[in-house]
Amino acid sequence: DGGITQSPKYLFRKEGQNVTLSCEQNLNHDAMYWYRQDPGQGLRLIYYSQIVNDFQKGDIAEGYSVSREKKESFPLTVTSAQKNPTAFYLCASTTGGTGGRDTQYFGPGTRLTVL
Amino acid sequence: AQSVAQPEDQVNVAEGNPLTVKCTYSVSGNPYLFWYVQYPNRGLQFLLKYITGDNLVKGSYGFEAEFNKSQTSFHLKKPSALVSDSALYFCAVRDSGYSTLTFGKGTMLLVSP
Repeated sequence: DGGITQSPKYLFRKEGQNVTLSCEQNLNHDAMYWYRQDPGQGLRLIYYSQIVNDFQKGDIAEGYSVSREKKESFPLTVTSAQKNPTAFYLCASTTGGTGGRDTQYFGPGTRLTVL
Repeated sequence: AQSVAQPEDQVNVAEGNPLTVKCTYSVSGNPYLFWYVQYPNRGLQFLLKYITGDNLVKGSYGFEAEFNKSQTSFHLKKPSALVSDSALYFCAVRDSGYSTLTFGKGTMLLVSP
């Protein structure tokens, strides 16, 4: 898990609520990523950011939003538009700028449950 | 496009026996290949990667993987399994022209005493 922290570890959401998941890294990495993990489906990319104030949609961005105002932080908001948000959410980061050879390092994850 | 397949949902092996977890990939350029391990309710831990050079890559906890370009495979191996190796293993690929990783669906490894 290294220098990437995610909070909270467990999060419960009521129908219709927006919730924000925190991801902070002290590795001085340029690129950050958000994944969603569901049983039997592996990891699916939600959003990623390669530099501050810039981010791109991944494969399943609908119902999610992000910001990247600081290099160290990449919060994910799960909006009420996300119809099935119950999942394990993982944040990752890489040094970036090495032509894709760099390793992604992961945080400990946040488990989101919709009540 | 880039894709990766882990054909086995679960692998069972007895402690002390060798283990193999299979991974095949598809890319249009040069592949960068990674293996990660995940314990319950934890993040992914990096095990090893292949970028270029020697086809046999050694990683953490005694694991190794063999890159086979002709078979487009990158199988994870360990000569002698431990009960503590029981976990979920993910293979991932990045095409040299891409900026994101694509993960396989994962293989659950169960090592029995």
